[in-house]
This record gives sequence, C-alpha cells and structure tokens, in this order.
Amino acid sequence: EVQVLESGGGLVQPGGSLRLSCAASGFSFSSSAMSWVRQAPGKGLKWVSSISDGSTYYADSVKGRFTISRDNSKNTLYLQMSNLRAEDTALYYCARTTVITGPFDNWGQGTLVTVSS
Amino acid sequence: DIQMTQSPSTLSASVGDKVTITCRASQSISSWLAWYQQKPGKVPKLLIYKASSLQNGVPSRFSGSGSETEFTLTISSLQPDDFATYYCQQYSSYSSFGPGTKVDIK
Repeated sequence: EVQVLESGGGLVQPGGSLRLSCAASGFSFSSSAMSWVRQAPGKGLKWVSSISDGSTYYADSVKGRFTISRDNSKNTLYLQMSNLRAEDTALYYCARTTVITGPFDNWGQGTLVTVSS
Repeated sequence: DIQMTQSPSTLSASVGDKVTITCRASQSISSWLAWYQQKPGKVPKLLIYKASSLQNGVPSRFSGSGSETEFTLTISSLQPDDFATYYCQQYSSYSSFGPGTKVDIK
C-alpha cells in the first residue's frame, strides 16, 4: 500500500525556519517525482514545490525561501522553509507525483505550519 | 505563470442531477489537466488526469473533457458521496490549481 506521512510542522515566528519531512513507503520512492502542496485554513490548494530526477521546481511565492530535497536511501522527502511569513501558514501535504509536477495520485494527511508571533 | 479559473464557484444540486464544472487556463496546457475531489477535513483525491483519463477506482459517473484552455468535469448522476469541493490543476508548466467549485445540496 502506498503511504506518505508528513511530520515537522509546528508554530514558528515570522522570519523563522522549519523543516518538513515526508516518509514514503509501498512504492519505488527513488523513481518517483514528489511534491509539496499547501492549503491555508478554509482556502484552496496551492502547489508549492516538486522534485524529479534531481530537478527542482518552485512556486514563485516560495522561490528563494524554500528548498525541496530528498534522501532516497531513507525514502524521505524534505521541505526546508526559511524566512517564513504569516501567509505561509497552512496545512502542508506531501504527494507522490506522476509526471514531474502533476498529477498527485497519493497524498499524506498533512502537517500544519503556523507562522505567528 | 498559468492562471486557472473555475466556474461556478458554488453549485447547488440534487441527488441524481447531472453536474458540470468548467475550468479554464490562461494559456494552452494541451491536455495536462487533472481534477481532484476534497471533502471537509479530508485529503484531496485524484479523479481525472490528462483531461479525460479516469483514475483507478473512481466511479464511471465522473468524466472529464477538453483541451488547450477549456475543460469540464461532469458527474452524470450526482450521488450523496459526491457533495464536496472540486479542484482542477494544470501541470503543463510547473503547476497551479483552480480556486475550487463547491458542490452542495440543493
């Protein structure tokens, strides 16, 4: 069974940093593209970043502040977030990605990031 | 950046109704479009990919069509389990989602 499980969310002050992790199982992680998608409370889905074969892709709103990476030996995806802003507050989902930046066929339950002083 | 729009933003319908949701892209995305269903407090679920391909396990009452800049998601006969918010997503150039269409009970 395909599973992805996010962790690392929490409360952080504006300007702070946080690293999210996503542990994957049940599929060939190393040969799969992976992505992060976020959803602010009561709002819609927003694509954040994707990684495929070492290539990385970012939404303009996070470019230069967020870094996506992966450790194939640990079947784990990461999202390093820095210079966080209030508007980054959201539930962050990890998702297996079929073709580089979409579609997303398996999602985790999400990890909540709250940016507030 | 490719902008995605959806209409309507909210749709009130009854069980058994045929429902159609429209998604438009600000530039051509060929058929690189997906549709998702999300229920309150739940994880999004992939319904359709490449504009018209049904994801495994998704009921056949869901169908997708369109290409280039205009796409539709159709539910042929709305079921109680289908009341949810639906999002389109382009993955032609990076990725972006539409704002969502909420389908609620009439």
